[in-house]
Amino acid sequence: KNEVEQSPQNLTAQEGEFITINCSYSVGISALHWLQQHPGGGIVSLFMLSSGKKKHGRLIATINIQEKHSSLHITASHPRDSAVYICAVSPYSGGGADGLTFGKGTHLIIQP
Amino acid sequence: NAGVTQTPKFQVLKTGQSMTLQCAQDMNHEYMSWYRQDPGMGLRLIHYSVGAGITDQGEVPNGYNVSRSTTEDFPLRLLSAAPSQTSVYFCASSYRGTANYGYTFGSGTRLTVV
Repeated sequence: KNEVEQSPQNLTAQEGEFITINCSYSVGISALHWLQQHPGGGIVSLFMLSSGKKKHGRLIATINIQEKHSSLHITASHPRDSAVYICAVSPYSGGGADGLTFGKGTHLIIQP
Repeated sequence: NAGVTQTPKFQVLKTGQSMTLQCAQDMNHEYMSWYRQDPGMGLRLIHYSVGAGITDQGEVPNGYNVSRSTTEDFPLRLLSAAPSQTSVYFCASSYRGTANYGYTFGSGTRLTVV
């Protein structure tokens, strides 16, 4: 079973700060996902990575397959970025889609 | 709108009652899955399906049944509800072979068993 660890568990920052959330996993994967969940809300997929780096607006996600580590960065953070950010991994399997294993999430609060 | 639809959004059950949580998607995704989210535990996989007629167990399958008679629908059945099944349940779907595709999640069902 893959162990997925996220850090930090909680993060409070001021508006405009550069934010980094880290994720490490123990077993090789086919893909890593970053998800966002607002309080009381649904889950939105932000990124899916199998190598390298992806950017969408102020969000950047990177993955180092050799080190089994990924980071999610938020540039010029804004109060609307306040949410729980969840890292999840897809295992290697014949079909490549046999369930996600999740980290416990990082609760981010951006203060104005 | 295209996506994953879960019903109901909220439900209160008495211990021992049965019910079905509905999940439907209109994106022709092969892969569908059910997760439960509990405080301090994160999300955990209950059951999943890689296509119509095929289902398999995840990490926490006990007390739940699933079936997949069509590509679109993947209902989750609680056979005899227990307080330990109080949780928020999410359904998700994806194309099989996730090398290039992410997951789409439903909005969740908040279940309380009393």
